[in-house]
Amino acid sequence: DAKTTQPTSMDCAEGRAANLPCNHSTISGNEYVYWYRQIHSQGPQYIIHGLKNNETNEMASLIITEDRKSSTLILPHATLRDTAVYYCIVIRGNTPLVFGKGTRLSVIA
Amino acid sequence: GAVVSQHPSRVICKSGTSVKIECRSLDFQATTMFWYRQFPKKSLMLMATSNEGSKATYEQGVEKDKFLINHASLTLSTLTVTSAHPEDSSFYICSANGLAGGSSYEQYFGPGTRLTVT
Repeated sequence: DAKTTQPTSMDCAEGRAANLPCNHSTISGNEYVYWYRQIHSQGPQYIIHGLKNNETNEMASLIITEDRKSSTLILPHATLRDTAVYYCIVIRGNTPLVFGKGTRLSVIA
Repeated sequence: GAVVSQHPSRVICKSGTSVKIECRSLDFQATTMFWYRQFPKKSLMLMATSNEGSKATYEQGVEKDKFLINHASLTLSTLTVTSAHPEDSSFYICSANGLAGGSSYEQYFGPGTRLTVT
């Protein structure tokens, strides 16, 4: 599975959009981009995933560049409850998720 | 989204005893479940892949005789930590795969079980 690179940490003001980048320059054609987050002492929570088109759901939007070498997770109106570690993971099919260090997002009031 | 439960959520046991952790997919059938372990301030580490009706596949460095995995039905997988030692104290998390569309899957995680071995 392709390796991903994310910033170690980010801050975001409450109510503003949080844009979390992820680099996956070695992604192959059949690999999906997944985003999960983990709030302290809880199991990871699925956020969104995509292959090549941009995706949106009730939680977030996922913007994937045309060459698929990077993506951005957008939380449109961050709240204090969005403070968590966010993981960008690239996998194909029914394979287990491999977690890197992720980005620690702190939403500040 | 789909729901995965774990029981117990927290357990304290004495060194040398065994502990069983249950993972259930509540509203879908999971042919594949995964077990992870997470130490404080570290990321999740995959321990094993559990397939219904067959033997689990363990990651390198995970002792299969110490961490017994049973996946007897499409909704239940169990992890038994045998002869637990203090270094086995950790946060254990299970997950189950559900088909999301096309060839993509969504992996749903349980809330985790915090094991403390004294």
